[in-house]
This record gives sequence, C-alpha cells and structure tokens, in this order.
Amino acid sequence: DTAVSQTPKYLVTQMGNDKSIKCEQNLGHDTMYWYKQDSKKFLKIMFSYNNKELIINETVPNRFSPKSPDKAHLNLHINSLELGDSAVYFCASSTPGLAGDSYNEQFFGPGTRLTVL
Amino acid sequence: AQKVTQAQTEISVVEKEDVTLDCVYETRDTTYYLFWYKQPPSGELVFLIRRNSFDEQNEISGRYSWNFQKSTSSFNFTITASQVVDSAVYFCALSEAPGAGSYQLTFGKGTKLSVIP
Repeated sequence: DTAVSQTPKYLVTQMGNDKSIKCEQNLGHDTMYWYKQDSKKFLKIMFSYNNKELIINETVPNRFSPKSPDKAHLNLHINSLELGDSAVYFCASSTPGLAGDSYNEQFFGPGTRLTVL
Repeated sequence: AQKVTQAQTEISVVEKEDVTLDCVYETRDTTYYLFWYKQPPSGELVFLIRRNSFDEQNEISGRYSWNFQKSTSSFNFTITASQVVDSAVYFCALSEAPGAGSYQLTFGKGTKLSVIP
C-alpha cells in the first residue's frame, strides 16, 4: 500500500490556468506538508498543516493555497499559474510525537511534476 | 533561522571507492533533528537516517555511515565501497523542535553523486 500518494504525477498546463494537486496519506499522521523542488533541485517548504495550525512560508505567493478536507488529505490549489511555478511538488506527512522521541520522520509522496507553458 | 549547507555540489567517484558527503548546519535550538535523504534519478525522496540532537553516537548501516559532531555542527555521510546504484542526489536536512506538531524540514542544496563503473 502506498503511504503517501499524489495525483497527478505529471501536470502540463497553460499560463493563467488554475490547477490542483491532490495528496493523500494512509499513515494516520497528523501533519502534512507541501514542498517545492525547483529546476536546480532545491527543496523548500511551502506549507505545513495539522488540525491545529497552518504554517505558511512567507515567500509563497498567495496564489498557492492548501486545502485539507480531512486529516488524510492536503490538496494544493494554484491560481493564475505562472512560468516560474514549473517545478516538482512533493507532499509529505509526519506524526508529531513528543520532543526528544523519534516519531518525526517525514514520509514523502512520489512528487508531481508541474510544467507551465 | 536554520540553515543547512552542503558545500559539495557534485562528486564523481569510481566504483568501490569510499566517498564522504559533507553537511554543516546552523540552528539556535538545542533540540533539533538531522536527516539524510536520497533522490535517485527516478525522482522519489528516500529516507536514509534521522538523528536527534541528544544523540551524538555515530551510526553504521551496511555500507552507509554517519558522523554527527555537535562541536562542528556537522552531520557527514560516508558511503563505503560505492556502487553505481548509489548514484543520486543526496540531501541533508534539519528540523527544529516543532511548533504545533510541525516538523518542517530545511534542506541543503544537495550533492549529486555519480559513481562511475
């Protein structure tokens, strides 16, 4: 069984469109994340979300918005797509655990390669 | 703010050679977690190891070993007797003590390892 899944795997779209990437985890984790990997392979956190708080990286444009219908899903909506949004987007999840223990490994989805033309 | 530096952008070694990937981190927290991830050409992110700041014991797993030194803020990764299948981009990452259960990862820029047969 896939622990963290993302759909679609590839997404090609035109500038100005609105698109969504879906993420689901079946690990029972409380916290989910979105990361962006740019063309230089640099990975950067975009959002983290659990049922208590949404933490947004201040560098993320407000065209990007995470939506969580339930604890197992964190979808990424992108409005008015721009060329610079082309990247691989990774979803991840983790369980918070307690400070000092080891229950904080992040499990990553396979990634969604977004190409904006 | 936390920061992870992987000074080696690309490394090439001949098969069976040993190779060490360097990672230096910065954080103001006394509780933090360090990770290594592997990203093979297929693109997925593969978890390799997690270390918390309380545990400086070095770890060996097969051909992989990790050297954690708080005094120099380093968490280096050594592959012994490298194999072609080790060719990948390797990321070092840091997570500070969570806020609201979120373990956001700060990644280094990655080191691309090429193992030549």
